[in-house]
Amino acid sequence: KQEVTQIPAALSVPEGENLVLNCSFTDSAIYNLQWFRQDPGKGLTSLLLIQSSQREQTSGRLNASLDKSSGRSTLYIAASQPGDSATYLCAVARNNAGNMLTFGGGTRLMVKP
Amino acid sequence: EPEVTQTPSHQVTQMGQEVILRCVPISNHLYFYWYRQILGQKVEFLVSFYNNEISEKSEIFDDQFSVERPDGSNFTLKIRSTKLEDSAMYFCASSEQGINEQFFGPGTRLTVL
Repeated sequence: KQEVTQIPAALSVPEGENLVLNCSFTDSAIYNLQWFRQDPGKGLTSLLLIQSSQREQTSGRLNASLDKSSGRSTLYIAASQPGDSATYLCAVARNNAGNMLTFGGGTRLMVKP
Repeated sequence: EPEVTQTPSHQVTQMGQEVILRCVPISNHLYFYWYRQILGQKVEFLVSFYNNEISEKSEIFDDQFSVERPDGSNFTLKIRSTKLEDSAMYFCASSEQGINEQFFGPGTRLTVL
């Protein structure tokens, strides 16, 4: 059974700092990995999708990497801003027809002005 | 920009009552999903739906749950006889193809009293 873990559970940084969020998964037989942002009481906003054949994806100040063989992904946020404060979730899609996503518990990020 | 919509945003019901949660997926998407998030816990997969049938379902999705695509735009989740432990945020998602990015709606907060 796939297990997804995110470390740290919470992170507080001053504005402008570069930071790295970690995600690990136990079963490397994945289709893809997706990073989401969740604001309190709100839905999930997709940030980046990395297919299993890819090593990284970039969108603006965000860069996500994937090392499938070791079961790890990182989300790098450059020059953090207070508006980046949210919970960041990673989720892996299993390599089967149902395409269910298995989620980690998230990293709650606070960027202080 | 196309988005997944869900109604209602908040539903309060009495234990034992039936509820129907509604979703309008993105129009050209073919795969539809329901997830739920109990307060303070991980997002959990419930069911995936493609070509008018269930592709995969989790252990949570027992006989009390059902899904339907009653017309060309709506996708519904029915809980036949609600329990206290069904209280959660329910998210609908859709994707163009099974291996593509999943886009989530804003969620329906279900409170069972």
